[in-house]
Amino acid sequence: EVQLLESGGGLVQPGGSLRVSCAASGFTFSNYAMSWVRRAPGKGLECVSDISDSGGSTDYADSVKGRFTISRDNSKNTLYLQMNSLRAEDTAVYYCAKGYSESYYAPGDWGQGTLVTVSS
Amino acid sequence: SYELTQPPSVSVSPGQTARITCSGDSLTKKSAYWYQQKSGQAPVLVIYEDSKRPSGIPERFSGSISGTMATLTLSGAQVEDEGDYYCYSTDSSGNHRVFGGGTKLTVL
Repeated sequence: EVQLLESGGGLVQPGGSLRVSCAASGFTFSNYAMSWVRRAPGKGLECVSDISDSGGSTDYADSVKGRFTISRDNSKNTLYLQMNSLRAEDTAVYYCAKGYSESYYAPGDWGQGTLVTVSS
Repeated sequence: SYELTQPPSVSVSPGQTARITCSGDSLTKKSAYWYQQKSGQAPVLVIYEDSKRPSGIPERFSGSISGTMATLTLSGAQVEDEGDYYCYSTDSSGNHRVFGGGTKLTVL
């Protein structure tokens, strides 16, 4: 059974940093692209960032480019999102998601999400 | 940047057919995917590669595509189908993936 367990969310001040993690199990992590998707209060889903199976290719939403960094450790089956220069508008539930099939980015399995709140 | 456009809301009575559209220039070349998200829950993939249904998704969910528009159809919508629905696809370069703005489906 695929399991994706996010951690690291919490309250952070504007301008601060936070790293969220996603521990994966139940599948061969190194064979799948992974994504971070968020849903802000009153807004829709936004694909924040995604990363290829090897980690060699990454992409970011314009809203976070230059501030967020996605990475993965295939030896630890873990996905990361380093978030710097956080803004109030980054407040959201952040979901970790696994590609629905090998070599495909579209999410097929999701974690339950971790809440990030940016506020003073 | 690439955008996918959805209507903000769709409302039907139970048993009626609900159709949710998603328009995007690259849908002529790139596949569309559809997700359902109910309040307080993680999203669920209901249609992949334009028209394929994952195991466990009821047959009343179907997808189609025509030109630059993808459509999610719920034939005989039920109250439990209420929620937010999002399309997802890739820009023409294949390097940037986005969600549509989402459509709130009401069944009552």
